[in-house]
Amino acid sequence: GDSVTQMEGPVTLSEEAFLTINCTYTATGYPSLFWYVQYPGEGLQLLLKATKADDKGSNKGFEATYRKETTSFHLEKGSVQVSDSAVYFCALSDTNNQGGKLIFGQGTELSVKP
Amino acid sequence: EAGVTQSPTHLIKTRGQQATLRCSPISGHTSVYWYQQALGLGLQFLLWYDEGEERNRGNFPPRFSGRQFPNYSSELNVNALELEDSALYLCASSVPAGVTEAFFGQGTRLTVV
Repeated sequence: GDSVTQMEGPVTLSEEAFLTINCTYTATGYPSLFWYVQYPGEGLQLLLKATKADDKGSNKGFEATYRKETTSFHLEKGSVQVSDSAVYFCALSDTNNQGGKLIFGQGTELSVKP
Repeated sequence: EAGVTQSPTHLIKTRGQQATLRCSPISGHTSVYWYQQALGLGLQFLLWYDEGEERNRGNFPPRFSGRQFPNYSSELNVNALELEDSALYLCASSVPAGVTEAFFGQGTRLTVV
């Protein structure tokens, strides 16, 4: 079945550092890809998405490009802030079922120090 | 416009009891999804309801069940609670099946003691 693999955390960076969180996927069809963020004590918020190959999703300085050839959707940000400290989840829409069921990676905890 | 709302925020139950969690989707959304986020296990898909029908369920025992009401709100019931059921339960909603973006609520933290 479909699956998502994320780089393990926790990731600790200094403020203004460059961020990359790797995400690769396995899917039999053509899924949409998502990054969700979970701040401490809260639910999930959609950060960005891409619905087809070569699409670039972007939001709040974060970017990710849907790479079909490498089955990847890596999250990047040029300069992180302390407020970016959270858990980041890569997800894909299940291609074996109709509807919006999501398959998530394990999550990567990001901690940004001043 | 209100987002996905879940209640209660926190719930403490004793092993063997039943828990009922509630979710109100965004207005106009007919699909509701339930996920379990247990410590160290990531997000696991539990159930999907659309137009009042259960469309899919994840790899959970039958004591996890639910329903969707005519107004598209949903309940998740967990019977015969076990300590391992302690987790954050997240509800998400989306427009009718076929559209892939889901919006999440803040979750219900269930603690089984």
